[in-house]
Amino acid sequence: EVQLLESGGGLVQPGGSLRLSCAASGFTFSDYVMNWVRQVPGKGLEWLSVISSDSSRTYYADSVTGRFTISRDNSKNTLYLQMNSLRADDTAVYYCAKDTTMTGAPCDYWGQGTLVTVSP
Amino acid sequence: DIQLTQSPSTLSASIGDRVIITCRASQSVSVWLAWFQQKPGKAPNLLIYKTSILQSGVPSRFSGSGSGTEFTLTISSLQPDDFATYYCLPYKNYPWTFGQGTEVEI
Repeated sequence: EVQLLESGGGLVQPGGSLRLSCAASGFTFSDYVMNWVRQVPGKGLEWLSVISSDSSRTYYADSVTGRFTISRDNSKNTLYLQMNSLRADDTAVYYCAKDTTMTGAPCDYWGQGTLVTVSP
Repeated sequence: DIQLTQSPSTLSASIGDRVIITCRASQSVSVWLAWFQQKPGKAPNLLIYKTSILQSGVPSRFSGSGSGTEFTLTISSLQPDDFATYYCLPYKNYPWTFGQGTEVEI
């Protein structure tokens, strides 16, 4: 069974940093493209970033370019999101999601999300 | 970047109704469009990808159609479990942008 488990969320002050993790199990992590998506409570979904299976390619939304960095450790089956220079409008639930590129299915499995709150 | 218009933003419907949600893109995404369902407090769930392919386990009352810049999600006969928010996602090129969402309510 595919499982994605985010962790690392919490309360952080504006300007601070946080690193989110997404532990994957139930599939061959190193074969799959992975994404981060966030959602401000009560609002819509915002795609943030993607990383290829071998970490050779990464892409970001304009809203986080230069502040957030996606990475992965295939030996640990873990995806990361390093978040720097955090702002109040980064407050959201952060989800990791896997793609199945072979079938063309985006974000076919999601974690349960981790809440990040940016506040003084 | 692609601009998206998902409509309506809210839809009031009854059990058994046929429901249609539309997603329009500012440029062609060919067939690379997906639909997600999200219920309160839960992660989104992939319903349809590549315009019309039903994700495993998704009921056949859900269907998708379209190409290029205009796409629709149809629920043929609305069931109680279908009251949720639906999002489209064109995924031809990065960066991705989700539609604004359509809340289907009673």
